[in-house]
Amino acid sequence: DIQMTQSPSSLSASVGDRVTITCQASQDISNYLNWYQQKPGKAPKLLIYDASNLETGVPSRFSGSGSGTDFIFTISSLQPEDIATYYCQQYDNLPYTFGQGTKLQI
Amino acid sequence: EVQLVESGGGLVKPGGSLRLSCAASGFTFSNAWMSWVRQVPGKGLEWVGRIKSKTDGGTTDYAAPVTGRFTISRDDSKTTLYLQMNSLKTEDTAVYYCTTDLGGHLDSWGQGTLVTVSS
Repeated sequence: DIQMTQSPSSLSASVGDRVTITCQASQDISNYLNWYQQKPGKAPKLLIYDASNLETGVPSRFSGSGSGTDFIFTISSLQPEDIATYYCQQYDNLPYTFGQGTKLQI
Repeated sequence: EVQLVESGGGLVKPGGSLRLSCAASGFTFSNAWMSWVRQVPGKGLEWVGRIKSKTDGGTTDYAAPVTGRFTISRDDSKTTLYLQMNSLKTEDTAVYYCTTDLGGHLDSWGQGTLVTVSS
């Protein structure tokens, strides 16, 4: 199975900060990577697909980049409603695998 | 609007069985690939398995921990997805989500249903 390693596992930031989360795959996954946001008590929500494409309706302060084994998720200006846990997920090979999550706090 | 509503969760003893359902609406269910994802409370996400549309063969794939014990099926006439879980173990305790699966993009999720395996 492809292992996905996210860092950091938790992050404290202030409103307006630029926030960056990294995700590393254990092998080359091209751009077959998605990012999800999960708020407490809610289901995950797809934010970014194919490493860098913003899902419809997702604010433009969210962005993603990378290919191969190294990926970056960025929030350009943190808002209070962005408090959540963020997960990367690869779909290059089955089984789909997720990173362990990054809990973002203000 | 896409809606996915899971049901069927509950408390079951180790070794027991449970069938989860996911009622779908707001999209052409028969054309959709569907996945199940689970989450131990307070922990991360784990993909359980998926089923392709019948036009794409209707085949299923599973994660290793559930292979041979879980079965995913679909009833396109009822726009409903199922997860039959047999030989349940305590480590299967989790919230189970059904999702649409656009070839790896899990783009719509249900609210989840909690399965607790305990004696």
